[in-house]
Parts: sequence; structure tokens; C-alpha cells
Amino acid sequence: GAGVSQSPRYKVAKRGQDVALRCDPISGHVSLFWYQQALGQGPEFLTYFQNEAQLDKSGLPSDRFFAERPEGSVSTLKIQRTQQEDSAVYLCASSLAQENTEAFFGQGTRLTVV
Amino acid sequence: GNSVTQMEGPVTLSEEAFLTINCTYTATGYPSLFWYVQYPGEGLQLLLKATKADDKGSNKGFEATYRKETTSFHLEKGSVQVSDSAVYFCALILDTGRRALTFGSGTRLQVQP
Repeated sequence: GAGVSQSPRYKVAKRGQDVALRCDPISGHVSLFWYQQALGQGPEFLTYFQNEAQLDKSGLPSDRFFAERPEGSVSTLKIQRTQQEDSAVYLCASSLAQENTEAFFGQGTRLTVV
Repeated sequence: GNSVTQMEGPVTLSEEAFLTINCTYTATGYPSLFWYVQYPGEGLQLLLKATKADDKGSNKGFEATYRKETTSFHLEKGSVQVSDSAVYFCALILDTGRRALTFGSGTRLQVQP
């Protein structure tokens, strides 16, 4: 596609519910990143893929968070047993390669846990 | 650790005013520096970047110079327009290790006609 696409744009989940957030990166982009952006804050790193390999997951806040990119294209961020503190905008970004190339961001998924 | 500090907003200016948004950083190693912009309802977009000391990034009338001695990357524009109203994020990437962006908290700019 023309840009990074994320779905859904908005998600309301009841506390304890599992959610899955999808990211379609730009075709051919090797690197894919997930970020979490709390209200009024800058994005914070969650995890990084190079093709299908998850090379860095040091930013995932707990073992309730899980990400995958099985075929090196579409990625899914899953949050199990959601908590109110998980409410944030989840951003996906992709880039052509690893070394300092421009990262293109999707519009994000706004998750609200009630 | 690595961090980015930028001035709090909102910054409110009249059209054609001069803009400065301050950004300083702390990093181990030699970072590349970026300014991203988020227009209302849109995703983050790269505005400009600089990869080494004394480099100047520029785009759409915005400029920022990589100052290693003051660990700063202040964003400037000589004459802002209403269409520049957005949230601006300063960010860095290290040249080694984690390849993800480290962002500041963002500065909201409001330009009034």
C-alpha cells in the first residue's frame, strides 16, 4: 500500500479482555517497530522486527504484551488481560532497512480500556 | 540512559512570527537527530534530520542544527503559517545498539491568523 496501515483505528476493551492490533507496513520494508504513546507524551519503544525475526522486545511492559510478524510483513500486537494502564495510542512504523533510514508511521490505534 | 527533553507547550504564535522549539538530548554514543511532526488526525511524519555534529537539517522552511557541544537540536522557522499548527517531536537514534527512536514528549504549536 501507499503507507503504513493500522487497524482498528479505535478500540474500546473491557478490563481483562484480550485485544489484537494489526499493522500493515509499506510493502518491501524490512524493519517494523511498535511504539506506545500515552496521552500528552512522546511515543515509547515496545518492540522491533527485522523481517520475521523479533530482534528487540525490551520495551514490552509486561508478559501480557506479545507481538508477531510471522511472514515478515503484517504484524500483530496482542495484549492479554487488558488493564486500564494499557490505554494509549499504539503506533506502528516501518522502514526500508535498519540503518538510519526514514521510519514511516501509521496513524495508530487508540486503545481505551474501561 | 538516552533521553530527549523538549520545551513544554503549547506554543502560541501569530502568523509570520519566528518559531523556536528547544530540544536537548542525552545519549551514550553518537546519535542521529530528528524532528517529527504530527498534524491533527494524521500519523507522525519526518520533518528533518541530521546525522552528525554541525549538520543542518531543513525542510518546508524549518531548520535545526546538530550542536554536539550543547547537545541540542533546536527547531526554528522564520515565519510560521496557520498550517504549521501541529505537535512537534524531537527524537534520536543511536548509531549502535537499539535502532528504535527515542522521543521527547512533544510540543504543541498553535498558530493564530
